[in-house]
Amino acid sequence: AQSVTQLDSQVPVFEEAPVELRCNYSSSVSVYLFWYVQYPNQGLQLLLKYLSGSTLVKGINGFEAEFNKSQTSFHLRKPSVHISDTAEYFCAVSGSGGSNYKLTFGKGTLLTVNP
Amino acid sequence: DTEVTQTPKHLVMGMTNKKSLKCEQHMGHRAMYWYKQKAKKPPELMFVYSYEKLSINESVPSRFSPECPNSSLLNLHLHALQPEDSALYLCASRKGLAGNNEQFFGPGTRLTVL
Repeated sequence: AQSVTQLDSQVPVFEEAPVELRCNYSSSVSVYLFWYVQYPNQGLQLLLKYLSGSTLVKGINGFEAEFNKSQTSFHLRKPSVHISDTAEYFCAVSGSGGSNYKLTFGKGTLLTVNP
Repeated sequence: DTEVTQTPKHLVMGMTNKKSLKCEQHMGHRAMYWYKQKAKKPPELMFVYSYEKLSINESVPSRFSPECPNSSLLNLHLHALQPEDSALYLCASRKGLAGNNEQFFGPGTRLTVL
């Protein structure tokens, strides 16, 4: 079984500032890791994913994340945020073998970008 | 086409009503999911279909009845719901139940039970 901890429930930042949203996971097996974004009254959109290979993953909208196996972390970063980045961000983990039907989500981090 | 569509966008129903939610994808995906999401919470898995067969039921009450008529379409039939069932219902799809677990989500149906 897997679990995900998103360390901050809310992160307020000013426009053009850098941001880091933190995610730690727990798993007894190898994992796939995902970051999803949810804008108000919408579904979830995939920002980026780690499946294997390079530990630095680049996604859409200028976001990137780094997989750190020793620290079991997958933190999301953006060097300069925009007002339009205001949304809920979910980190999710899945086992990488066998019947891995389940995505385990963190509780979410609300990113609020202020002018 | 990399889109999952859901209808209706909003639904209001009484506790004695019967209604259905619809989800469609044309990506050739063979696994489809229903999730329930309450405000300020992550999605909770309800059902998983694989090759049009129900694979997983996460102990969902029988007032929710899923159906997968073909590989592109997933329905969720609702009957005798309770006010606490009010939520955003999300559909998702993926290529299959093996391999990476990247799921594509629809925009959701906002359900209100009066």
